[in-house]
Amino acid sequence: EVQVLESGGGLVQPGGSLRLSCAASEFIFGTYAMSWVRQAPGKGLEWVSAITGTGGSTFYADSVKGRFTISRDNSKKTLFLEMNSLRAEDTAVYHCAKGSGGYNYYYMDVWGKGTTVTVSS
Amino acid sequence: EIVMTQSPATLSVSPGERATLSCRASQSVSSNLAWYQQKPGQAPRLLIYGASTRASGTPARFSGSGSGTEFTLTISSLQSEDFAVYYCQHYNNWPPYTFGQGTKLEIK
Repeated sequence: EVQVLESGGGLVQPGGSLRLSCAASEFIFGTYAMSWVRQAPGKGLEWVSAITGTGGSTFYADSVKGRFTISRDNSKKTLFLEMNSLRAEDTAVYHCAKGSGGYNYYYMDVWGKGTTVTVSS
Repeated sequence: EIVMTQSPATLSVSPGERATLSCRASQSVSSNLAWYQQKPGQAPRLLIYGASTRASGTPARFSGSGSGTEFTLTISSLQSEDFAVYYCQHYNNWPPYTFGQGTKLEIK
C-alpha cells in the first residue's frame, strides 16, 4: 500500500528548532513531488512547502519563508522539514502529502496522519 | 498568490438530501482543482481532481463541476459517513497550492 508516515513532532520553546521527517513506502519516491500541509488546532488546512521530485525546486508559504527548509533524500525515500525560529503560530499538526506528479500541476493523492508540533514556553 | 474562497462555511443538510458546496478562485485555475474530505482526527482524503474526476474509491454520489474560477462539489444523497469538512485546493501552475477555508457539512 502506498503510504507516508511523519515523525519528529514535539514540544519546543519559541525561537527553537525542530526537524520533521516523512518516510515513504510502496512508490517510486523520486518520481513525485512532495508537500507539507499543516492544520492549527480547530483551523483549516494551510499549504506550507513543496519540493519537486528531483529536489531541484522548492516552494514556501510566505508565513514560513526564511525559517523553514524542505529537503528530500530520494535514496532513503524520506522527506524533511527543518523548522527554525519557531513561533506559537506554528503550532499545528503537520501532514506530509504525496503529489500526483513530479514537477508541477499536481494534486495531493496520499496523505499521512500527521505529526504534532507545539510551540510553547 | 491565488485565494480560494469556499461557501458556505457550514451547511446543515438532512441524510438522503442533496448538498452543494461552492469554491471560488481569485483568478482562473482552469480545471486544476481538487476536493478533499476530512473527518475529525483523520488525515484529509482526496475526493475529486481535475475539477470533476472522482479519485479511486470515491462513491458515485460525489460529483464535481466547474472551471476557471467557479467550482461546485455536489453530494447527491447524503449518507451518514459524508458529514465532514470539505476543502478545495487549486494546483494550477506552480505552488503555493492554496486551500479554501473549508465547508463543514453537518447533520440537520
